[in-house]
Amino acid sequence: AQSVTQPDIHITVSEGASLELRCNYSYGATPYLFWYVQSPGQGLQLLLKYFSGDTLVQGIKGFEAEFKRSQSSFNLRKPSVHWSDAAEYFCAVGARTSYGKLTFGQGTILTVHP
Amino acid sequence: EAGVVQSPRYKIIEKKQPVAFWCNPISGHNTLYWYLQNLGQGPELLIRYENEEAVDDSQLPKDRFSAERLKGVDSTLKIQPAELGDSAVYLCASSLVGLAGGSNEQFFGPGTRLTVL
Repeated sequence: AQSVTQPDIHITVSEGASLELRCNYSYGATPYLFWYVQSPGQGLQLLLKYFSGDTLVQGIKGFEAEFKRSQSSFNLRKPSVHWSDAAEYFCAVGARTSYGKLTFGQGTILTVHP
Repeated sequence: EAGVVQSPRYKIIEKKQPVAFWCNPISGHNTLYWYLQNLGQGPELLIRYENEEAVDDSQLPKDRFSAERLKGVDSTLKIQPAELGDSAVYLCASSLVGLAGGSNEQFFGPGTRLTVL
């Protein structure tokens, strides 16, 4: 069965600092990988996704993520955080055989200090 | 383009009462999902529809939960009777899957926050 672990429940950074959110997945083959962001009272918005090809993927709002097969990781990064990035971030894995089903991690809450 | 629409946004009911949530997916999307999101957790899939067919309802508690997507467009999720533990956010998502030009990306609605007293 597929699973996702986000080790950090809560991360605090200063505005302008760099950010890395960790995501580890468990799946028997190469999965589809996603990062979503959720602001309070809002639905989830897709930041970026990995299906195949280049293991470094670019997303919206200046985010990027790198797929590392050897480490079963798909960490999210941003070089300079803005106050508006404060939200909850979810990593998700989708099986290629039934790509409609996503399994989400428990989320990482990002707080940004001015 | 309008996004996924859900109503109501908030619902407060007494335990043992019935409740229903409605979802209108993005126009043209053939696949619709209902997710349950407990506080501090990621969403968990309840049911997935491809057009009007429920292709994955293995996580739906069928003793009290039911769902329908009669014309392959909008969908209703019902709980009867509601229990205290059903308090959560119910998210609807849609995608264009398996067709030329489909990205498989799931687009989420804002959710319905249910409180059972």
